[in-house]
Amino acid sequence: SYELTQPPSVSVALGQTARITCGGRNIGSKLVHWYQQKPGQAPLVVISRDSTRPSGIPERFSGSNSGNTATLTINRAQAADEADYYCQVWDISTVFGGGTKLTVL
Amino acid sequence: QVQLQESGPGLVKPSETLSLTCTVSGDSISASYWSWIRQPAGKGLEWIGRLYTPGNTNYNPSLRGRVTISEDTSKNHFSLRLTSVTAADTAVYYCARALGDFRPFDSWGQGTLVTVSS
Repeated sequence: SYELTQPPSVSVALGQTARITCGGRNIGSKLVHWYQQKPGQAPLVVISRDSTRPSGIPERFSGSNSGNTATLTINRAQAADEADYYCQVWDISTVFGGGTKLTVL
Repeated sequence: QVQLQESGPGLVKPSETLSLTCTVSGDSISASYWSWIRQPAGKGLEWIGRLYTPGNTNYNPSLRGRVTISEDTSKNHFSLRLTSVTAADTAVYYCARALGDFRPFDSWGQGTLVTVSS
């Protein structure tokens, strides 16, 4: 079965750039979606189809996908960005990465 | 604006069947793709399966054989049945919408906690 690998945690200084990776075999050939989840809340899509930002998501969020790695980039990280982030693709079924806890220092 | 609301028992005994319903407003369940997703406490998201019209389903291979997702178009809701539950099935269960194949889950219910315990 297809697997997505994310680092369990990423730390970033306030105002700096955070990068969260999602590794998968030839993931560049798939469409990757990214979700933000804050405690007690349902996930919220922040990037769809590799690099599309849904309405209402700050321009600080961007995505890329190539080869075996997809990346969510958060520029000028803010305290409000502290959350768990999940990548997701469709293979023969929907697959989520294990999630990355982003800490803004 | 689409809204999804999960409902069902919060406590299920081991070996019994978990049943949940997702009621949808603001969209027709005949028009989109509808999934169940769960999340054990402190852990990641696990996709359970999906329904798309008319009456088509896909399931997570790891749960196939135990899970059934069905629809009631007259009530605009869809349901999850998970049989032979164990403590490992204890989780927050979400229903979610995708507008089509390969699309993201753009709308989610608030989630409902189901605990498997005697």
